[in-house]
Amino acid sequence: QVQLQESGPGLVKPSQTLSLTCTVSGGSISSGSYYWSWIRQPAGKGLEWTGLIYSSGSTNYNPSLKSRVTISVDTSKNQFSLKVNSVTAADTAVYYCARGLGHSYGYAFDYWGQGILVTVSS
Amino acid sequence: QSALTQPASVSGSPGQSITISCTGTSSDVGGYNYVSWYQQHPGKAPKLMIYDVINRPSGVSNRFSGSKSGNTASLTISGLQAEDEADYYCSSYTSSTTRVFGGGTKLTVL
Repeated sequence: QVQLQESGPGLVKPSQTLSLTCTVSGGSISSGSYYWSWIRQPAGKGLEWTGLIYSSGSTNYNPSLKSRVTISVDTSKNQFSLKVNSVTAADTAVYYCARGLGHSYGYAFDYWGQGILVTVSS
Repeated sequence: QSALTQPASVSGSPGQSITISCTGTSSDVGGYNYVSWYQQHPGKAPKLMIYDVINRPSGVSNRFSGSKSGNTASLTISGLQAEDEADYYCSSYTSSTTRVFGGGTKLTVL
């Protein structure tokens, strides 16, 4: 059974960098045709796709966040990470990491982490 | 990219059927059969309910079904049960190879 677990600071100051890590267990991050994504959800609002990475290191980002977001992968640790630069209160959200399936499964997200609340405040 | 459009809320009585729509464009929903649906209970992570417009993952009740016509996808829940009360989100692959979610629909079981 694949499991994903987010980790990182729960409080970040405005203008600083938000950094989160997702640790994958129960399977290799390098296996299969999967991709790995970050999705966030402000309190009381909907889901917002942030970006994705393949184990090869290939990435794609939400155009609205592209200038501030970087996703990286460390296959040796079975982890992938998210960095969001120059954060504001608008970046306050629950951040989920998720596994994405290939085109045979419509690129759907089948496994999700439990989510981590990140608050941007001084 | 703009979020896909979903109704903010829908409701139904136990045993009834409801349908939630998800409207996009020819660059996402209309252009590909890569629409998925997620159920989210309060305080929980989303759960995949439908992928590839119409397919159910193993373990998901056959009361949940999906369809698509043009730029609009739909999720139908039949035989509504109390535990179906949750938020539902659609998602689609896009022509830019990004992903996009709908704004979400709150389902109330009366």
